[in-house]
Amino acid sequence: AQSVTQLGSHVSVSEGALVLLRCNYSSSVPPYLFWYVQYPNQGLQLLLKYTSAATLVKGINGFEAEFKKSETSFHLTKPSAHMSDAAEYFCAVSDRGTDKLIFGTGTRLQVFP
Amino acid sequence: NAGVTQTPKFQVLKTGQSMTLQCAQDMNHNSMYWYRQDPGMGLRLIYYSASEGTTDKGEVPNGYNVSRLNKREFSLRLESAAPSQTSVYFCASITGGSGANVLTFGAGSRLTVL
Repeated sequence: AQSVTQLGSHVSVSEGALVLLRCNYSSSVPPYLFWYVQYPNQGLQLLLKYTSAATLVKGINGFEAEFKKSETSFHLTKPSAHMSDAAEYFCAVSDRGTDKLIFGTGTRLQVFP
Repeated sequence: NAGVTQTPKFQVLKTGQSMTLQCAQDMNHNSMYWYRQDPGMGLRLIYYSASEGTTDKGEVPNGYNVSRLNKREFSLRLESAAPSQTSVYFCASITGGSGANVLTFGAGSRLTVL
């Protein structure tokens, strides 16, 4: 079965520091990959998605992710953290041709001044 | 505003009581989903409906039933609530068909079972 693993349930960075949130997927065939963000007491919203058009995907709010087939990874990065980035981030995967989206366990990002 | 609407936003039940979570979308989406969110476990798929009249089990279907009433509405029913069903429930919808489309989520329904 398709799955994703997010390393680190909590990540803390200082404002202005690099943000790196890790995601690895399990599939022999490159799937579709997504990063969603959840702000406190809200539903999830899409940050970015990979559908094979380009391995480096840019999303909203300065986030980007790189698809690396050799490492089965899709890590999320942002060069400079802002206080408003504090939220929970979820990596998700779906097989091509299906809409069954499987989520990782999430990473809570804290940003300190 | 267009989107996914869930009701109720909050509910407290006693063990053994029943209730239905309602979900409606006005984006003409084909597929609809119910997820539950628990600390440290992310979002887990309970049931989904790829189209009107069809439903399929997800990762954690036990203790739940669903109804795809029409294209707009997808309800989740707990027949006999248990404390293990205390969670935040999210409904979502998608146009459907390719796997590359983006889910639109509702704001969530927080359920507590005492």
